[in-house]
Amino acid sequence: GIQVEQSPPDLILQEGANSTLRCNFSDSVNNLQWFHQNPWGQLINLFYIPSGTKQNGRLSATTVATERYSLLYISSSQTTDSGVYFCAVGSGAGSYQLTFGKGTKLSVIP
Amino acid sequence: DVKVTQSSRYLVKRTGEKVFLECVQDMDHENMFWYRQDPGLGLRLIYFSYDVKMKEKGDIPEGYSVSREKKERFSLILESASTNQTSMYLCASSLSDTTYEAFFGQGTRLTVV
Repeated sequence: GIQVEQSPPDLILQEGANSTLRCNFSDSVNNLQWFHQNPWGQLINLFYIPSGTKQNGRLSATTVATERYSLLYISSSQTTDSGVYFCAVGSGAGSYQLTFGKGTKLSVIP
Repeated sequence: DVKVTQSSRYLVKRTGEKVFLECVQDMDHENMFWYRQDPGLGLRLIYFSYDVKMKEKGDIPEGYSVSREKKERFSLILESASTNQTSMYLCASSLSDTTYEAFFGQGTRLTVV
């Protein structure tokens, strides 16, 4: 099956700093989502982005499907951005089935 | 907004009990999914359903079954709970067209003692 690798696994930032999280995948995808898992465990949708670029406030994402990677940018980080960020992809006929990366654990310190 | 609701946030059950985890979505989505999340292993697909009464095994179906009698409701059943089923369980739903975006419930932390 498709492989998903996220980097870095852990990231510690000072409040106000910017960061880039990366997701590499091993095959072409029709489905790519970024999630933020809050402290209570719920996965919050950030972006549905199988290709192209999207922005939502301080967050933006870019997927370069031909090169099999996606980037999540967080600008002017806040303590509430802390948590685990997951990339999940779907490929081929089963694109609605998501394969998750192991996540990036972000800690934003005041 | 899409809403996916899981019946319990925390659950404690005894070994050997039959356990039902319920999930309801309000957006008329065809697809529904059950995942479990464990430290070091990430999120893994247990079962999914693409229509009423239809189900497909995911990556780790052993020890679980599912039921989908109505479009909005998808149940995960642990026939005889065991301690290695202690985990975080996450339900999701999505449409069945070219838009594959999935939405998740709040999760159920199940502890089997």
